[in-house]
Amino acid sequence: QSVLTQPPSVSAAPGQKVTISCSGSSSNIGNNYVSWYQQLPGTAPRLLIYDNNKRPSGIPDRFSGSKSGTSAALGITGLQTGDEADYYCGIYDTSLNGWVFGGGTKLTVL
Amino acid sequence: QVQLVQSGAEVKKPGASMKVSCKASGYTFTNYEIIWVRQAPGQGLEWMGWINPYNGNTNNVQKLQGRLTVTTDTSTSTAYMELRSLRSDDTAVYYCARVAVSGSWYFDLWGPGTRVTVSS
Repeated sequence: QSVLTQPPSVSAAPGQKVTISCSGSSSNIGNNYVSWYQQLPGTAPRLLIYDNNKRPSGIPDRFSGSKSGTSAALGITGLQTGDEADYYCGIYDTSLNGWVFGGGTKLTVL
Repeated sequence: QVQLVQSGAEVKKPGASMKVSCKASGYTFTNYEIIWVRQAPGQGLEWMGWINPYNGNTNNVQKLQGRLTVTTDTSTSTAYMELRSLRSDDTAVYYCARVAVSGSWYFDLWGPGTRVTVSS
């Protein structure tokens, strides 16, 4: 059971938009900054979003992040088949004194 | 270029120990903490521990206390993760990642992963 809750899967057609949610608590999302990671099949995770909504260089602006209260969300627009991957939210939890990840969401581009 | 290179796959028997290395290049090793994360087959990401290469300070997840040791060798810019008394549920891909900080901490550079299989 993950401290952060994500939907197990989402799907959408190419060109459409999808939103992946990440629900936490006051000891994590409520008082800290969320990061998001993309894991393509068979590869290591890659940073997509940090500090709730900032993109590292090289990440297209099709990817966006937001946070409200104890929940965060990753948005992906203009979906491409190459976006099919597992997506994880992550954050430092002050109660656990360590980092936690959501259970991951598998994105299928139909 | 900026990268983390990890040691190769291992097969271990239950009760044995493993030690995975993570060699950093392209940046100042002591300027960034290193985190270790594992992923069991078909499962999500699990934080294991982190280390500050500058001062050696560490923080490990409670469930692995007593079995996990993370260290660094600043002379070779290499981080190490040792896990002892291995069990079948330690079978996983083990990743090291660099910890960056802005508003909070995040992991901006990942190693390719080291697959460890624990089986009799």
